[in-house]
Amino acid sequence: QQPVQSPQAVILREGEDAVINCSSSKALYSVHWYRQKHGEAPVFLMILLKGGEQKGHDKISASFNEKKQQSSLYLTASQLSYSGTYFCGTEDFGNEKLTFGTGTRLTIIP
Amino acid sequence: SAVISQKPSRDICQRGTSLTIQCQVDSQVTMMFWYRQQPGQSLTLIATANQGSEATYESGFVIDKFPISRPNLTFSTLTVSNMSPEDSSIYLCSVELAGGPEYQETQYFGPGTRLLVL
Repeated sequence: QQPVQSPQAVILREGEDAVINCSSSKALYSVHWYRQKHGEAPVFLMILLKGGEQKGHDKISASFNEKKQQSSLYLTASQLSYSGTYFCGTEDFGNEKLTFGTGTRLTIIP
Repeated sequence: SAVISQKPSRDICQRGTSLTIQCQVDSQVTMMFWYRQQPGQSLTLIATANQGSEATYESGFVIDKFPISRPNLTFSTLTVSNMSPEDSSIYLCSVELAGGPEYQETQYFGPGTRLLVL
């Protein structure tokens, strides 16, 4: 079943923060986050594997809740380069394929 | 990560014809995947292509319409057969590789093939 992302779209000014959520109806093995700019391929950002995990690099971080059904991506002090559509890809136990979420379009304006 | 290329990058085709899309990766990988992405939409998995075995298709996708070959560990093709305008989409291949600072396995995507069927 396709994970649900929220919000569907968000517009921010440079320097503002954003949170993107990804929810599943069942516990997951892992969550993978990607960013896709218009006309380009999705680019891998990070994976979360453990319940309660938080990780990140630079100003982009993510969390995975204890029940492993929800993940959030945090973008702090957003830059113009952060614009794009963000997808979570969820992996079930015993199945190596990813099911991608509905997507969140992020627009950063000067 | 890996360098993944796809050919063609785009094409315009007539209905009823077929198009074969190639995916080449610069290292040996076990798992390759084919996705379809319609404009403004999410990615939908068509099939998983493993070397030495038949592709595994997702619900709603059949081998007669989307035959896949996987002759070796660096190459795969997807054919879109007997095309109709509804097949107009972006087709992406991906490979599973260990990456990131902790070398966990994830998927890396090719640049995509933009297909328009008239």
